[in-house]
Amino acid sequence: SQTIHQWPATLVQPVGSPLSLECTVEGTSNPNLYWYRQAAGRGLQLLFYSVGIGQISSEVPQNLSASRPQDRQFILSSKKLLLSDSGFYLCAWSVIANSYNEQFFGPGTRLTVL
Amino acid sequence: QKEVEQNSGPLSVPEGAIASLNCTYSDRGSQSFFWYRQYSGKSPELIMFIYSNGDKEDGRFTAQLNKASQYVSLLIRDSQPSDSATYLCAVREGRRALTFGSGTRLQVQP
Repeated sequence: SQTIHQWPATLVQPVGSPLSLECTVEGTSNPNLYWYRQAAGRGLQLLFYSVGIGQISSEVPQNLSASRPQDRQFILSSKKLLLSDSGFYLCAWSVIANSYNEQFFGPGTRLTVL
Repeated sequence: QKEVEQNSGPLSVPEGAIASLNCTYSDRGSQSFFWYRQYSGKSPELIMFIYSNGDKEDGRFTAQLNKASQYVSLLIRDSQPSDSATYLCAVREGRRALTFGSGTRLQVQP
């Protein structure tokens, strides 16, 4: 069965510090991978998605970036965090086949920028 | 701008009642529709998906889709306090990533 991991689970960082969040998927090959952010009491905002190694699409221009160095690894980064970067960061995966495949979420990373 | 609209709630129902959660979407090209449940502080969990007009039942859950009206709903029969959560509606067009609504908070009163 497929499993998706995210770490760390929680993170408190000062404004201006760098960020690296990691997501890995087990039990599947060549998945679509996604990064979402959920601000407190809000819906899910798609940040990045990837259909393969080195292929990243950005949905929202901001100070975040994403990379996919391996088939089942997806990394979210920032060089300098802003207060507005606080939120619940969720990684998700789906099978690359057609539009009818379900999308599954990891446990998330709760980021607080102070 | 593709949009998915949900009433934020809270929707309060007594234990054992039917909870009805509604969602409208703006993109007529949307092809697949999903309902996620999110407990406070946790990540969303997929509970239902539907692709064709009509009803789809899975246990106590029924998803209903009306593409002409651009409307999708989720019915929860025999609601339990453990069903209290935020329910997120999501739609997908083609191979694009899901577009989510902001969710409806459901409270089931014992």
